[in-house]
Amino acid sequence: EVQLVESGGGLVQPGRSLRLSCAASGFTFDDYAMHWVRQAPGKGLEWVSGISWNSGSIGYADSVKGRFTISRDNAKNSLYLQMNSLRAEDTALYYCAKDKGAEYSSSIDYWGQGTLVTVSS
Amino acid sequence: DIQMTQSPSSLSASVGDRVTITCRASQSISSYLNWYQQKPGKAPKLLIYAASSLQSGVPSRFSGSGSGTDFTLTISSLQPEDFATYYCQQSYSPTWTFGQGTKVEIK
Repeated sequence: EVQLVESGGGLVQPGRSLRLSCAASGFTFDDYAMHWVRQAPGKGLEWVSGISWNSGSIGYADSVKGRFTISRDNAKNSLYLQMNSLRAEDTALYYCAKDKGAEYSSSIDYWGQGTLVTVSS
Repeated sequence: DIQMTQSPSSLSASVGDRVTITCRASQSISSYLNWYQQKPGKAPKLLIYAASSLQSGVPSRFSGSGSGTDFTLTISSLQPEDFATYYCQQSYSPTWTFGQGTKVEIK
């Protein structure tokens, strides 16, 4: 059974940093691309970032480019999101998600339950 | 970035109705279009990928069509468990984008 378990969310002040982690199990982690998708309270889905199986291809939404960094450790079956210079508009539930393919040009077939990030003073 | 526009933003329908949701891309995305269903408090669920391929385990009353810029999600006979919000999403460009969502409510 595929499991994606996010951690690292919480309350943080504007301008500060936070690192999200996602522990993956139930599939061969280094065969698949991975993503972070967020959802602000009461709002729609927003793709944040994606990374291919070998970290060779990485992409970011314009809203986070230059502030967020996605990475993965295939030896640890883990995905990360380093979030710097956080803003109030980054407040959201952050989902870790698995791609159907190795390069992120497909779709998301599994989602975690999310970790909540609240940016507020 | 490629903009994805869904219509309508919400709709009311009855059990047994045929429901159609439209998604339009701001430029051609070939068939790199996916549909997701999300229920309150739950993670999204993949319904259709590559515009028209049914994800494993998804009921056959769901179908997708289209290519280029115009796409459609159809629910042939709406069931009580289908009341939810539906999102389209493009994976054509390295920067993925979702539509704003369509909320399907009970009439």
